[in-house]
Amino acid sequence: AQSVSQHNHHVILSEAASLELGCNYSYGGTVNLFWYVQYPGQHLQLLLKYFSGDPLVKGIKGFEAEFIKSKFSFNLRKPSVQWSDTAEYFCAVNLANSGGYQKVTFGTGTKLQVIP
Amino acid sequence: NAGVTQTPKFQVLKTGQSMTLQCAQDMNHEYMSWYRQDPGMGLRLIHYSVGAGITDQGEVPNGYNVSRSTTEDFPLRLLSAAPSQTSVYFCASSTRQGGDTEAFFGQGTRLTVV
Repeated sequence: AQSVSQHNHHVILSEAASLELGCNYSYGGTVNLFWYVQYPGQHLQLLLKYFSGDPLVKGIKGFEAEFIKSKFSFNLRKPSVQWSDTAEYFCAVNLANSGGYQKVTFGTGTKLQVIP
Repeated sequence: NAGVTQTPKFQVLKTGQSMTLQCAQDMNHEYMSWYRQDPGMGLRLIHYSVGAGITDQGEVPNGYNVSRSTTEDFPLRLLSAAPSQTSVYFCASSTRQGGDTEAFFGQGTRLTVV
């Protein structure tokens, strides 16, 4: 069964610091990868996604993620965080190009706290 | 365009009570699902549906029932609430295009069972 690991459970950064959140998945096939963000008291929103092509994916609000197939990783990065980036971030994965419905597996989430 | 709408936003139940969490989407999405979110455990899939009349179990289905009579609606029923079902519940929908599709989430229902 596929699984997603987010090793950082809680990250605290000062404004303008750089961010990298780790995401590793376990599945040998072709996958689709997602990062979702959940701001305090709100629902999950898509931050960025990777289906195919350029492994460096640009998302909203200056976020990017790099898919490294050999490492089964899809780490999220941002060069300079803002207080408004305080949120919980979820990595997710599902099978690609398999037809029909494919279940999405979510990681346990990383809470990011940005200190002004 | 309302997207995915969940009601109620908050609910307190007594152990043993039953209730239905409502979920509706107006994007004509075939796929709908229910997740529960618990601290340190991420989102876990409860039940899902790939179209009207078709449902299946997810990772944590016990204690929950679903039905899908229309494309738009996907209610989640708690038959006899237990304190272990205290959680935040999210409904999501997406188009059915293999795996390369994002999920759209509702605002969530915070359920407390006492």
